[in-house]
Amino acid sequence: QVQLVESGGGVVQPGGSLRLSCAASGFTFSSYGMHWVRQAPGKGLEWVAFIRYDGSNKYYADSVKGRFTISRDNSKNTLYLQMNSLRAEDTAVYYCADDVFLYWGQGTLVTVSS
Amino acid sequence: DVVMTQSPLSLPVTLGQPASISCRSSQSLVYSDGNTYLNWFQQRPGQSPRRLIYKVSNRDSGVPDRFSGSGSGTDFTLKISRVEAEDVGVYYCMQGTHWPPTWTFGQGTKVEIK
Repeated sequence: QVQLVESGGGVVQPGGSLRLSCAASGFTFSSYGMHWVRQAPGKGLEWVAFIRYDGSNKYYADSVKGRFTISRDNSKNTLYLQMNSLRAEDTAVYYCADDVFLYWGQGTLVTVSS
Repeated sequence: DVVMTQSPLSLPVTLGQPASISCRSSQSLVYSDGNTYLNWFQQRPGQSPRRLIYKVSNRDSGVPDRFSGSGSGTDFTLKISRVEAEDVGVYYCMQGTHWPPTWTFGQGTKVEIK
């Protein structure tokens, strides 16, 4: 069965960096684009970034453009989100999802606080 | 960018009664291929989002048939024919037509039992 497992969340100071990972299994990861979606505490869902199956194209929400980088390692079946220059408003649960949002991980919490 | 507007934002419902959620987009969601990429998601308390409906009216596997989606162009509706206790949660519409640059979620509608 398809599994997406996020990791790498934690507490970081404003201006700091963090790298999230999403380990995929149960499907041919290298054939599918992948998304990151986040949800601030008590708020709605916000799309963050998308990467095509081969990493050839990447797209970002305006709120993270220039600070976050999505990438993937198809040999390791893993999706990444490098987050730099973190702000308090980046505090959220971060989910990875497949290209059509059918499969979601359990999420990893990122807290940006001094 | 496309804006997705849901109403109501809060929906108290009596068990066994119907419920209806509206989602309006600021632009037509008909894609050049003729499809309309409008999805509905359910997020139960403490859980990851779950896709219920794709391309306006197609139920995902395992989704009870009391859930139905309808609409066209800019106006869409999710209906629950008879609300059950397990339907409590927040429901989101999401457009996947106008990308890049973004995929856009509605604000969410909280369904609770009266």
